[in-house]
Amino acid sequence: EAGVVQSPRYKIIEKKQPVAFWCNPISGHNTLYWYLQNLGQGPELLIRYENEEAVDDSQLPKDRFSAERLKGVDSTLKIQPAELGDSAVYLCASSPGQHHRYQETQYFGPGTRLLVL
Amino acid sequence: GQQLNQSPQSMFIQEGEDVSMNCTSSSIFNTWLWYKQDPGEGPVLLIALYKAGELTSNGRLTAQFGITRKDSFLNISASIPSDVGIYFCAGRPAGSEKLVFGKGTKLTVNP
Repeated sequence: EAGVVQSPRYKIIEKKQPVAFWCNPISGHNTLYWYLQNLGQGPELLIRYENEEAVDDSQLPKDRFSAERLKGVDSTLKIQPAELGDSAVYLCASSPGQHHRYQETQYFGPGTRLLVL
Repeated sequence: GQQLNQSPQSMFIQEGEDVSMNCTSSSIFNTWLWYKQDPGEGPVLLIALYKAGELTSNGRLTAQFGITRKDSFLNISASIPSDVGIYFCAGRPAGSEKLVFGKGTKLTVNP
């Protein structure tokens, strides 16, 4: 079974430029998460989707960050414009979803390493 | 928000030694998960715990869900060089849908 797929793996951009990250969750997983991981820290949740609905986006900086999960499968996270402090690893994860016995068990993709110059 | 205290922050051990790390919280958790992250990769799930007192093994790894529901530990027996990496605990607080992560334990194994 394929795991969570993310692209690109690495991205280097200049500040004020836009950037987008893509995620394809594990097949059949209804819940999708975007996390931010700074160096030396654990992942921090940005947004959680149940199917195509964003059920928790309280930690998403909405002035510059946006996300979508059309059709409830793939998802895109966008930053526009990027700032120096956005340099970090952006992780996507998926889980079976609500009402599943192991709903909290999240599986992570390899992440996108963003460097803003 | 909720915080997890994970310790130790780092460990330097010799190959063959056993390792123990733990996470504690000031509030009750309903789920504990342990992940390992290698450089340049995403966290990989090692063990998931869903009930207080639960003890689960995965090869040389053993993890327990504390009886008080406020802590969990991970043991690695007979460490090998490929055990090197950062180990994260994560938990779901009671009444929350959100997973909270510790800051990680960086493990170095000397051959």
